Amino acid sequence: DTGVSQDPRHKITKRGQNVTFRCDPISEHNRLYWYRQTLGQGPEFLTYFQNEAQLEKSRLLSDRFSAERPKGSFSTLEIQRTEQGDSAMYLCASSPLHAEYEQYFGPGTRLTVT
Amino acid sequence: GNSVTQMEGPVTLSEEAFLTINCTYTATGYPSLFWYVQYPGEGLQLLLKATKADDKGSNKGFEATYRKETTSFHLEKGSVQVSDSAVYFCALPSGAGSYQLTFGKGTKLSVIP
Repeated sequence: DTGVSQDPRHKITKRGQNVTFRCDPISEHNRLYWYRQTLGQGPEFLTYFQNEAQLEKSRLLSDRFSAERPKGSFSTLEIQRTEQGDSAMYLCASSPLHAEYEQYFGPGTRLTVT
Repeated sequence: GNSVTQMEGPVTLSEEAFLTINCTYTATGYPSLFWYVQYPGEGLQLLLKATKADDKGSNKGFEATYRKETTSFHLEKGSVQVSDSAVYFCALPSGAGSYQLTFGKGTKLSVIP
C-alpha cells in the first residue's frame, strides 16, 4: 500500500498562469476527493469523483478550476488564470467504496501565486 | 449544511499530561463523527470515528464519545507523548447524501518533554 501521492509537492507560479496538479489515489479506492486548505483552517471540499464520474462540486470551485479523473484512476486539478487568492495547500484524498468517510489523504501540493 | 466548532489552539502540554480538545457540532440527524490528525509534514490521517450516539471511538490511546445531548465529540487522551504533537481536526459529513467532509479549523498540539 503506497498511499495517496500528489505531484508536485510545491508549485510557485505567477498570477495569470495556469497550473495543473496530479493525484494518484490508493489503487483499489473508487472515490477521490479534492480539498483546499489555507493557513489556520481545516480542509475545504472542492470536488469528488466516483470512478471517472465527477459527482459533487463545491461552489468554491469557480469556472477557473477544472478536475478530471480519466479512466477512474489518477486525477488532475487545473487552475486557469491563477490569482493570489488561489495560494493554498491542495489536498487529494481517496476512500474505498463502502467506507466513504474514511478518507486517506495525500501530502498535498502547496501552491504559491506571486 | 452540517458544521463543526472546534477548540482553538495552540495547546501546549507537558509529556504525560491529560489532553482534551473540544468539538461541538450542528447537524441534521445523527451523522458519523471523526477526528483526523495531521503530523508535521504528513497528510491527514483518520484517528478515530463514531457512527452513532453514545459510541466511543478509540485509537492510539485517544478516545472520543459521541454525545447527542450536548452535540459534542471531545477528543481525550490520558497521557500525551511528544510524538502526539500534531494538528487535530474534528469532522463530519457535510449533509445527508453527501460524501464530502466538513472540518473544524484544527487544534495544534505541542507536547514538550
